[in-house]
Amino acid sequence: DTGVSQDPRHKITKRGQNVTFRCDPISEHNRLYWYRQTLGQGPEFLTYFQNEAQLEKSRLLSDRFSAERPKGSFSTLEIQRTEQGDSAMYLCASSLGQNIDYGYTFGSGTRLTVV
Amino acid sequence: GEDVEQSLFLSVREGDSSVINCTYTDSSSTYLYWYKQEPGAGLQLLTYIFSNMDMKQDQRLTVLLNKKDKHLSLRIADTQTGDSAIYFCAESMREYGNKLVFGAGTILRVKS
Repeated sequence: DTGVSQDPRHKITKRGQNVTFRCDPISEHNRLYWYRQTLGQGPEFLTYFQNEAQLEKSRLLSDRFSAERPKGSFSTLEIQRTEQGDSAMYLCASSLGQNIDYGYTFGSGTRLTVV
Repeated sequence: GEDVEQSLFLSVREGDSSVINCTYTDSSSTYLYWYKQEPGAGLQLLTYIFSNMDMKQDQRLTVLLNKKDKHLSLRIADTQTGDSAIYFCAESMREYGNKLVFGAGTILRVKS
């Protein structure tokens, strides 16, 4: 297992289009997190899953955002009707349950540019 | 509330020690972390400290935690040009599924 994979690495889209990102966590990790990072800021929490259950969503996650983790393995993050303010790096991370001693393992992120 | 603050920029000479400081607000945080981010890359976990510890050393890295003042620092000994990056402090929120709250990051520039 080579770590957390995110696809695509870069996405440029026109305002108003829908986009979907994928995250493949480390296989034995049952928790999966999505964060958003804008330029000059630290990552901000969006949502997390324990297995297939989405247990918390940030108020940053507007109705245009939806995340799924259908079989408790990979996850998708969809943004509908994208806006320029959605331009950011979207980071996925995974961890093994409550064993956070070693922190999360982050993927390399998907950089979204809305034009 | 959730708030993690860091100084924005630090410049040091190669071979010197670097000290990056962070303050946090949530006294219930169980773990505090330091992450490193190089340009265009994801976040790399450098080290962490459990909230009942006051110091942790890991090779060139020393983490100091002052829980009373909610102050965390990262010392990098013998700083190298490869250490140039953005360093993020983060606290975990156990009651929220261990989500992390990050500071805005400190840009470390190492001059040769």
